[in-house]
Amino acid sequence: DAGVIQSPRHEVTEMGQEVTLRCKPISGHNSLFWYRQTMMRGLELLIYFNNNVPIDDSGMPEDRFSAKMPNASFSTLKIQPSEPRDSAVYFCASSLDSRTEAFFGQGTRLTVV
Amino acid sequence: KQEVTQIPAALSVPEGENLVLNCSFTDSAIYNLQWFRQDPGKGLTSLLLIQSSQREQTSGRLNASLDKSSGRSTLYIAASQPGDSATYLCAVSGFSGAGSYQLTFGKGTKLSVIP
Repeated sequence: DAGVIQSPRHEVTEMGQEVTLRCKPISGHNSLFWYRQTMMRGLELLIYFNNNVPIDDSGMPEDRFSAKMPNASFSTLKIQPSEPRDSAVYFCASSLDSRTEAFFGQGTRLTVV
Repeated sequence: KQEVTQIPAALSVPEGENLVLNCSFTDSAIYNLQWFRQDPGKGLTSLLLIQSSQREQTSGRLNASLDKSSGRSTLYIAASQPGDSATYLCAVSGFSGAGSYQLTFGKGTKLSVIP
């Protein structure tokens, strides 16, 4: 398996624009996580899916953020409208279930100017 | 709320030295603990996972220990090499109360191994 695949690797956008980040988890993994990493706050869990269903979205910072998992092999994280303070590296991770070893993608570095 | 602390934030050692990275957590009701490595501009690579019922795990030159009752874990790296230079992150898995288990991360220790 190629591991967790995220796209794009880098995204630069203007404030107010819509941004969509994409993730393909490892095949057979039932749990998918979206994290955000910043220098100030480190890694923070945004949302967790189990069997394509959002289980815990308490980490989603604002209504501008939304995430979907339409099937077992694809998830998106959308920010609309984007703001400069959203600039960070966004990671997707997957695992067999929420208690087992997590595998991370390479991340998407988002810069909002 | 679980909090994970890693000390020191940065560490520089000469090649060949043995070293220990520390991780502490406030809530001992964890399911497991995972150590990750992160290279600059890259994702996280899982190094070792210790279940809450285990005391240690070993992989090559790496040995991780867990003392759940005292809320501590250490990552021991033997005979360090320049290729070990990276940021090492500790994460604990615990029940979030929102119906799921959640990984809570420390902010990492940035290791530099000097040739």
